[in-house]
Amino acid sequence: GAVVSQHPSWVICKSGTSVKIECRSLDFQATTMFWYRQFPKQSLMLMATSNEGSKATYEQGVEKDKFLINHASLTLSTLTVTSAHPEDSSFYICSASGRASSYNEQFFGPGTRLTVL
Amino acid sequence: QQQVKQSPQSLIVQKGGIPIINCAYENTAFDYFPWYQQFPGKGPALLIAIRPDVSEKKEGRFTISFNKSAKQFSLHIMDSQPGDSATYFCAASNQGGSEKLVFGKGTKLTVNP
Repeated sequence: GAVVSQHPSWVICKSGTSVKIECRSLDFQATTMFWYRQFPKQSLMLMATSNEGSKATYEQGVEKDKFLINHASLTLSTLTVTSAHPEDSSFYICSASGRASSYNEQFFGPGTRLTVL
Repeated sequence: QQQVKQSPQSLIVQKGGIPIINCAYENTAFDYFPWYQQFPGKGPALLIAIRPDVSEKKEGRFTISFNKSAKQFSLHIMDSQPGDSATYFCAASNQGGSEKLVFGKGTKLTVNP
């Protein structure tokens, strides 16, 4: 149980285009989803927290107009990187917490590797 | 106060050894301490987690030791195997883990055959 999927697993795009990444909780209802980015050999950096049906809360320094987050249902959240640039190239990981267990652990997706040319 | 300090940055052990990874925190409101294992190109996977009401938790070959007064917790891997070679992250959060996790910087573990 407690499986989180992401799609796509990797994407290459041209500078200036937008890219959408999906995060799904497959076997539980995710009341909260989190989006992280991770640079090589570094820790996870939280970008934003989203609750189903409400606006995402962004961490300091994260541009909300550039990284659009939608948490439309209890099983789906999307991250759209708008007008992507090479410096946005990174490993994007989502996590979900909810009613999978009594402890509300965060379960992570497999990540999406974004490369912007 | 929100930081979680993790050490060592890297660790090399022989097969069968017992690597120990340590973490320290400042925020006494933290009440949930998970450990994650991450392989290259993959998302982190929850290994084991502990809450402050117990001093030790064991799941298979993985044990968390928790010292509330020292605000420290550690991961021990018994009978380590080459397949355990990965990066390990400690983390902490409050309100039962539903709030955001604060991660340590990670420890790259290498288990030699």
